[in-house]
Amino acid sequence: QVQLQESGPGLVKPSQTLSLTCSVSGGSISSGSYYWTWIRQPAGKGLEWIGRIYTSGSTNYNPSLKSRVTTSVDTSKNQFSLKLTSVTAADTAMYYCARLVAAGLYFDYWGLGTLVTVSS
Amino acid sequence: QSALTQPASVSGSPGQSITISCTGTSSDVGGYDYVSWYQQHPGKAPKVMIYEVTDRPSGVSNRFSGSKSGNTASLTISGLQAEDEADYYCSSYISNNTLYVFGTGTKVTVL
Repeated sequence: QVQLQESGPGLVKPSQTLSLTCSVSGGSISSGSYYWTWIRQPAGKGLEWIGRIYTSGSTNYNPSLKSRVTTSVDTSKNQFSLKLTSVTAADTAMYYCARLVAAGLYFDYWGLGTLVTVSS
Repeated sequence: QSALTQPASVSGSPGQSITISCTGTSSDVGGYDYVSWYQQHPGKAPKVMIYEVTDRPSGVSNRFSGSKSGNTASLTISGLQAEDEADYYCSSYISNNTLYVFGTGTKVTVL
């Protein structure tokens, strides 16, 4: 059974960088059948796709966030990470990592989510 | 890129069938069979219920079914049960730099 788990600070100051890591267990992040993605959800609102990374390191980002987002993958630790720079209160949200099936382009496994609050 | 349009809420009595619509454009829902549906209970992560418009993952009840006509996809829940009360989101691949777009979300209430 594949499991994903997000980790990182729950509180980030405005203008600083949000950094999260997703640890994957029960499957290899090096599998060529999947992308590894980040999705966020402000309280009481809908889902927003942030970006995806392939095992090769190839990335794609939501254009609305592209200038501030960086993702990376560490195959030795079976982890991938998210960095979002210059955060504001609008970046306060539940952040999920999820596995995206390359063939069907759907998110089949999700982490439990981690709440990140941007506040001074 | 705007979110796909879903009704804010849909309700039904136990045993009834309900349908949730998801309207996009020819660049997303209408152009590709990469529509998926997610169920989200309060405080929980989303769970995929339907993928590639009509396919159901192993373990998902056959009371859930998906379809598509033109630029609108639909999720039907038949034999509505109390446990189906949740938020539902559609998602689609989109042929621009955004790549993926979610729907606005629908709250399903079991009366």
